Amino acid sequence: DGGITQSPKYLFRKEGQNVTLSCEQNLNHDAMYWYRQDPGQGLRLIYYSQIVNDFQKGDIAEGYSVSREKKESFPLTVTSAQKNPTAFYLCASSDRSADPQHFGDGTRLSIL
Amino acid sequence: GENVEQHPSTLSVQEGDSAVIKCTYSDSASNYFPWYKQELGKGPQLIIDIRSNVGEKKDQRIAVTLNKTAKHFSLHITETQPEDSAVYFCALYNYGQNFVFGPGTRLSVLP
Repeated sequence: DGGITQSPKYLFRKEGQNVTLSCEQNLNHDAMYWYRQDPGQGLRLIYYSQIVNDFQKGDIAEGYSVSREKKESFPLTVTSAQKNPTAFYLCASSDRSADPQHFGDGTRLSIL
Repeated sequence: GENVEQHPSTLSVQEGDSAVIKCTYSDSASNYFPWYKQELGKGPQLIIDIRSNVGEKKDQRIAVTLNKTAKHFSLHITETQPEDSAVYFCALYNYGQNFVFGPGTRLSVLP
């Protein structure tokens, strides 16, 4: 089945630690996105990539980094500079930026 | 940037009744309006969408209406069932920008 796989489902971060969230898609989509979801809020865009080896900052990029070395993969690193990382992180992909987005089932990040 | 308001934030209906969720926006250049359903612990799933050249679209028990003049669009669910209970997000797209999402509506269908 085609889709988006996020791993792990749950992740814990210690103070001063960087953690990386995985996102893989087999939909052959060009565009990929990372969103942060906090309780009672809509999705906020962290980073997006419309093509391999290129990515752009979203609305809340500070404290995060990404890479897009392969079309099917778009990992997100939550760095120690992100002071409030506890949230539900969603990865999405679309054929083009104007097309409907397909979402993974998310990674819940918590602080130890 | 664009802002999307979504109302109500929570909605409880009796099984079999209808549910309506409304979103309003400010940028008249927005031209694509999807609706997503998110179940607990899952990612959002696209359930219906509408483009700016259409006023209404229906898919079985779900419909979306768009009023571009008034800048609002609504999700209508008829004959609600317990499995319709979830959080629903509206979103909109403006060419050359990115999707903007509403804050969500938690729908509870009471048996």
